[in-house]
Parts: sequence; structure tokens; C-alpha cells
Amino acid sequence: QKEVEQNSGPLSVPEGAIASLNCTYSDRGSQSFFWYRQYSGKSPELIMSIYSNGDKEDGRFTAQLNKASQYVSLLIRDSQPSDSATYLCAVYSWGKLQFGAGTQVVVTP
Amino acid sequence: SAVISQKPSRDICQRGTSLTIQCQVDSQVTMMFWYRQQPGQSLTLIATANQGSEATYESGFVIDKFPISRPNLTFSTLTVSNMSPEDSSIYLCSTGLAGVQETQYFGPGTRLLVL
Repeated sequence: QKEVEQNSGPLSVPEGAIASLNCTYSDRGSQSFFWYRQYSGKSPELIMSIYSNGDKEDGRFTAQLNKASQYVSLLIRDSQPSDSATYLCAVYSWGKLQFGAGTQVVVTP
Repeated sequence: SAVISQKPSRDICQRGTSLTIQCQVDSQVTMMFWYRQQPGQSLTLIATANQGSEATYESGFVIDKFPISRPNLTFSTLTVSNMSPEDSSIYLCSTGLAGVQETQYFGPGTRLLVL
């Protein structure tokens, strides 16, 4: 079983719609959770961090955490073509940052 | 966030040679991390580098293949030794800020192709 699991996609989203990305993790003791955005040919860019159950909003991004279900999600509202990228879920577990395989998001005009 | 630079940005190397990748941070940091991202895959931690001590390597990575230096609080190098085509990857350094090692920021990466 992988430590951090994500659907690989691609997730096709019409421009202006909401993109919903999901991530599950195996270490119940994890306390820190992150979403990175990676454009093709670029390095990962930190876009959200979340530490407590519930929702955290930052601009068009909302991260949601449910520790009981070991589930973290990212919502992108009003999706734009510039949001087309791979989104990596990362969980701080066992003293290191563990990454999921990433979900590719394609925003179609 | 920190400003992190890496050199070289990309390179094409011959099998059996070695390449040293440099990572520079614009502020003093306790820990620096080296990752590998193979084509189409996610990030895998190679090792953690603390200033003044030996790097800590993850399972599957050894010092003879990936020697790391950490001479001061703003700089680290990763050497990929005796390269084979399987070493073709993006190599990324990262660091946390203010001692918060779980919140990591990445350098631009070094794209390595081994022929």
C-alpha cells in the first residue's frame, strides 16, 4: 500500500468550473498536509498547507482535511487555463514529506 | 519563501561519468533535502543534509552513488556518480524555513539525461 494515494487523472475541467482533487494517506499519525502545483518542466510550487480538520481557503483554492477518514482534498474554484498542471498531495509522515503520484488537471476553454 | 537556486539547470552526460549538482539558498537553513523525480513519476526523497553532519539517506540510496556535501548553512551539493541511463531524472533540492522542515520549498531542479 502506498503512503499517499491520488487519482492520476487527467481530470478535465471546463473553464469556470470547480476542480476537485482527492488524496488519501496511510499514516494515521500524520499532522501536516500540503498541496503542490507542478507545471510541466517546472519544479513543485507550494500552494496550500493544512493542519487541522475542516476547510482552509486561500483565494480560489480550498483545502479540506478529515483526519478520521485519512483524507485530504483540494478544490479549485473558477478554474482557469492557467490552473492546468499536475497537483501533488504531500503528507509529512515518519519524519519526511511523502508525495502522492499527482493528479493532472486540464482546464478546457 | 526562500530563494533557492540550482546549477546546472540541465545536463547531458555520458554513462560512467559523474555530475555534481549545486543548491544555494538565500538564507541560512538547518536542513536541506535532495529529491529525484523520474520521468512521469512523483518525488522520491534521496537524502537529508544537515550542516556539520553526515547526510541521512533513504532506503534504496547509498552514499557511494549519491555523495552529498553540506559545507555551510546556505549550500549543498549532490553528486550522481558512475551514471547510467536509469539515473536520467530531475534532481531537486528543497528546504524548510525557520526550522519548519515539513513545509518545504523547492529549487528549480536539474534535468539530467544520461546517454
